[in-house]
Amino acid sequence: SYELTQPLSVSVALGQTASITCGGNNIGNKNVHWYQQKPGQAPVLVIYKDTNRPSGIPERFSGSNSGNAATLTISRAQAGDEAAYYCQVWDSRSAHVFGTGTEVTVL
Amino acid sequence: EVRLLESGGGLVQPGGSLRLSCAASGFTFSSSAMNWVRQAPGKGLQWVSSISPRGDSTYYADSVKGRFTISRDNSKNTLYLQMNTLRAEDTAVFYCAKSSRSTYSVEMDYWGQGSLVTVSS
Repeated sequence: SYELTQPLSVSVALGQTASITCGGNNIGNKNVHWYQQKPGQAPVLVIYKDTNRPSGIPERFSGSNSGNAATLTISRAQAGDEAAYYCQVWDSRSAHVFGTGTEVTVL
Repeated sequence: EVRLLESGGGLVQPGGSLRLSCAASGFTFSSSAMNWVRQAPGKGLQWVSSISPRGDSTYYADSVKGRFTISRDNSKNTLYLQMNTLRAEDTAVFYCAKSSRSTYSVEMDYWGQGSLVTVSS
């Protein structure tokens, strides 16, 4: 089955840039989506198809995808960005696959 | 405004059954693929099942195949998940999620608030 690996946690200073990686075999050939989940809340889509932001998502959120890793970047991090972030792809054999999740802490 | 409201969760004994419902509004339900995603306490997201807009195609995670059945009633704008032979490891918050288009291999653009299912004796 297809697997996606993320770091358990990432810390970022207020106003600085955080990068969250999502590793998978030839993930660059797939469309990667990213979700933000705050404690006690449902996930929210923040990036779809590698680089696209849904309406209402700040430009501070951006994505990239190449080779064996996709990356979600949060620029000018704010306290409100503290959350768990999950990457997700569709695999023809495994269907929807979610990453292991990354907790982002803003210091 | 898109709204997804899950119901039907609760406490059930191992081996028991439960049916979750997800009432949808604010979009053309019959044109969207739909999904169920679960999250065990303190754990990550796990995809459970997906269904095509007309309900004629379904997908299941291996962990629930043969025990869970996804279905939909487009006349009622409602998605269902029938869960049988429940196990302790099925304990989770179950989310209903809308696919952004008619195909289920795309991103999930709206999620409900979730329904907690607890399997315990």
